[in-house]
Amino acid sequence: GAVVSQHPSRVICKSGTSVKIECRSLDFQATTMFWYRQFPKKSLMLMATSNEGSKATYEQGVEKDKFLINHASLTLSTLTVTSAHPEDSSFYICSARDGRDRGASGRQNTGELFFGEGSRLTVL
Amino acid sequence: AQSVTQLGSHVSVSEGALVLLRCNYSSSVPPYLFWYVQYPNQGLQLLLKYTSAATLVKGINGFEAEFKKSETSFHLTKPSAHMRDAAEYFCAVSLTSGSRLTFGEGTQLTVNP
Repeated sequence: GAVVSQHPSRVICKSGTSVKIECRSLDFQATTMFWYRQFPKKSLMLMATSNEGSKATYEQGVEKDKFLINHASLTLSTLTVTSAHPEDSSFYICSARDGRDRGASGRQNTGELFFGEGSRLTVL
Repeated sequence: AQSVTQLGSHVSVSEGALVLLRCNYSSSVPPYLFWYVQYPNQGLQLLLKYTSAATLVKGINGFEAEFKKSETSFHLTKPSAHMRDAAEYFCAVSLTSGSRLTFGEGTQLTVNP
């Protein structure tokens, strides 16, 4: 099946530094990717929708200058947490939609969303 | 606007017992409904989805869910729980397949030996 890979799976950083998280679709082209944030014992909260080649659409209350999203290619979207603070510590999960008729595998597009493994950020 | 409500943040069952996880939805248009499972420190895995075809949907790992429009429900069931079913389960709704998902608060399933 389709695979979405996130890297790094865990990252610990000092307060004030920036951290980049990558989300890659490994065997399909993802025209749209979604970034979610999950607090401990809580549900997933949509942060932004990332479209290849255009600016991301942020949800209300999410600071676009704080959480920079870049979707420069059909297989890669990145989330950069700038000037991280302890309250940014969280589990970040991306999902990607198979957006073309056929991916590299030749498989028919289903429009289904596939989730990455998540990235746990801890800011000290 | 769309939303889902999962009744019961924690459900505990004995191994071999019936699993029932409740989900009610609110949507102004015919919804697409999903159930996902999340194991600790991992992403989400799709269990099953309803996309306006059959109202009884069968998924992976022996799970199934029934779409009931009159009750605005999409409850998840499994006849016999296994220890490996212990995880967090999320119900989600979207306008179309592949569009943004709105998640419920999640239900932590514990399976006791």
